[in-house]
Amino acid sequence: DAGVIQSPRHEVTEMGQEVTLRCKPISGHDYLFWYRQTMMRGLELLIYFNNNVPIDDSGMPEDRFSAKMPNASFSTLKIQPSEPRDSAVYFCASVGNRGDTEAFFGQGTRLTVV
Amino acid sequence: AQSVSQHNHHVILSEAASLELGCNYSYGGTVNLFWYVQYPGQHLQLLLKYFSGDPLVKGIKGFEAEFIKSKFSFNLRKPSVQWSDTAEYFCAVNAANFGNEKLTFGTGTRLTIIP
Repeated sequence: DAGVIQSPRHEVTEMGQEVTLRCKPISGHDYLFWYRQTMMRGLELLIYFNNNVPIDDSGMPEDRFSAKMPNASFSTLKIQPSEPRDSAVYFCASVGNRGDTEAFFGQGTRLTVV
Repeated sequence: AQSVSQHNHHVILSEAASLELGCNYSYGGTVNLFWYVQYPGQHLQLLLKYFSGDPLVKGIKGFEAEFIKSKFSFNLRKPSVQWSDTAEYFCAVNAANFGNEKLTFGTGTRLTIIP
């Protein structure tokens, strides 16, 4: 398996534009997580899914952020409209099942909003 | 809710020096504890984990960590660091009944090894 795949690796956009980040988890994994990494706040869990269903979105900062998982092999994190303070690295991670002991992370998407 | 504190934000060491990175957590119940490493430009990788049993756990690349329940700590150690250990290190915790769900991360410690 190629691991967790995120796209794009880098995204530069203007304030007010819509941004969509994509994630393909490891095949067969039941859990998918979206994290945001900043210098000030470290790694923050935004939302996670179990079998494509959102379980906890309490970390989503504002209504401008939304996430979907239409099927087991694909998830998106959307920011609309984007703001400069959204600039961060966004990571996706997947876990096999509830008893698994390791989360596998993607390479991340570095988002810059100017 | 659980939280994790990593008090060392940036540590600079010479090669062959010994390393200890602090990690303290707060949670009222039984926890699982993890250390992840992020090499420059790469994704996070699991270094080691503690679920139960021997509180001294050994991970990859010569790293180890000791869970001290009374101190709510899970410090990472390595007796002799190498230049290739330059990376950012994250301590993480979750409630024991959640497996690997809902990992809560510390803010990370940047480790710089000087050749």
